[in-house]
Amino acid sequence: ELKVEQNPLFLSMQEGKNYTIYCNYSTTSDRLYWYRQDPGKSLESLFVLLSNGAVKQEGRLMASLDTKARLSTLHITAAVHDLSATYFCAVASGGSNYKLTFGKGTLLTVNP
Amino acid sequence: DAGITQSPRHKVTETGTPVTLRCHQTENHRYMYWYRQDPGHGLRLIHYSYGVKDTDKGEVSDGYSVSRSKTEDFLLTLESATSSQTSVYFCAISATGSSTDTQYFGPGTRLTVL
Repeated sequence: ELKVEQNPLFLSMQEGKNYTIYCNYSTTSDRLYWYRQDPGKSLESLFVLLSNGAVKQEGRLMASLDTKARLSTLHITAAVHDLSATYFCAVASGGSNYKLTFGKGTLLTVNP
Repeated sequence: DAGITQSPRHKVTETGTPVTLRCHQTENHRYMYWYRQDPGHGLRLIHYSYGVKDTDKGEVSDGYSVSRSKTEDFLLTLESATSSQTSVYFCAISATGSSTDTQYFGPGTRLTVL
């Protein structure tokens, strides 16, 4: 059974600081997704990481994937209040019909 | 935004009653998924569909059934609702079942079972 662990689950940061969210998973997979969810809203796709060593950046967020370590990171640079949200990683597994297993999410609060 | 709607958006029902949630898409995507989201659990897959009348179980399928009679609609039925099924339900779609394909999520349905 695939397990996906995120840490930390809660993160309170000051504006302008840097931090990293970690996503570990238990079985071999080379497909990993990051989503953002604002309170009471749906999930928004941020990044799709499709191979070992993949790195993607959008604004102040950068995601990377190390399939050998079964680890993905979401790095936040110079945080701003608008980044406050819950961030989920999800790992794809399965044969012809891929299914996603989600982590529990990291609630990020960026304080002025 | 992906063309996904869910109905109803909010529902309160009583234990033991059947409930049907609807997901409708305008993208003509082949794959559709139902998830539930609970505090401390993230999102968990209930059922998914890989074509009309083709469905399969996910991680937490007990107490739920699904149907897909046409490409654009995927129905989730709680046969006899229980309080443990109080949750937020999200529908998602993807064009293919490939792991390179992104899943896009609907707005969610908040279900309360009293």
